[in-house]
Amino acid sequence: EPEVTQTPSHQVTQMGQEVILRCVPISNHLYFYWYRQILGQKVEFLVSFYNNEISEKSEIFDDQFSVERPDGSNFTLKIRSTKLEDSAMYFCASSTNTGVLREQYFGPGTRLTVT
Amino acid sequence: QKEVEQDPGPLSVPEGAIVSLNCTYSNSAFQYFMWYRQYSRKGPELLMYTYSSGNKEDGRFTAQVDKSSKYISLFIRDSQPSDSATYLCAMSVGRTGNQFYFGTGTSLTVIP
Repeated sequence: EPEVTQTPSHQVTQMGQEVILRCVPISNHLYFYWYRQILGQKVEFLVSFYNNEISEKSEIFDDQFSVERPDGSNFTLKIRSTKLEDSAMYFCASSTNTGVLREQYFGPGTRLTVT
Repeated sequence: QKEVEQDPGPLSVPEGAIVSLNCTYSNSAFQYFMWYRQYSRKGPELLMYTYSSGNKEDGRFTAQVDKSSKYISLFIRDSQPSDSATYLCAMSVGRTGNQFYFGTGTSLTVIP
């Protein structure tokens, strides 16, 4: 069964450093998303991406964040200058362009620890 | 304003019990209602979804939506230890690339 994959599974970085989180969505999906989940808190939407542009973003997704689909398979989230409060689990999700509900399939997540 | 409210639990039940999980919401524009299951340190996995009001059944799982009360429920019949996980409700306004609004999740443990 096709699945969303994410790398790395765990990333440790120092405050102020740039990190890139990588995702490979399901191959025939056209919508891509990033969510984050701070430990013990709810899953929060960051951004959705379609047709090579951001279609929606939350107030969390400020100028330090960016997304890119550099090739036909990868979808990345870049955090330019990490802060301690960026420590969280980051989930990538993807969905199709058809169906009653464009169900979002989630990857296993990347745990980001900022020290 | 909290869009979606969900009792975080934890909820502990004996094997075979009927489990009731609930969420309330404030945004009357929500039309799609989902339930996800999340195991520890894993991504959310879609269990069921419903559109607008009504019931939907899938095996041991039944999802209910009451839009007039802004209240949704997930019932698990004949609960199994393998059902032990965190259950997240999620909602969206539309289909097209819309963000999902998640509840905090309810932690469920089914005791053998």
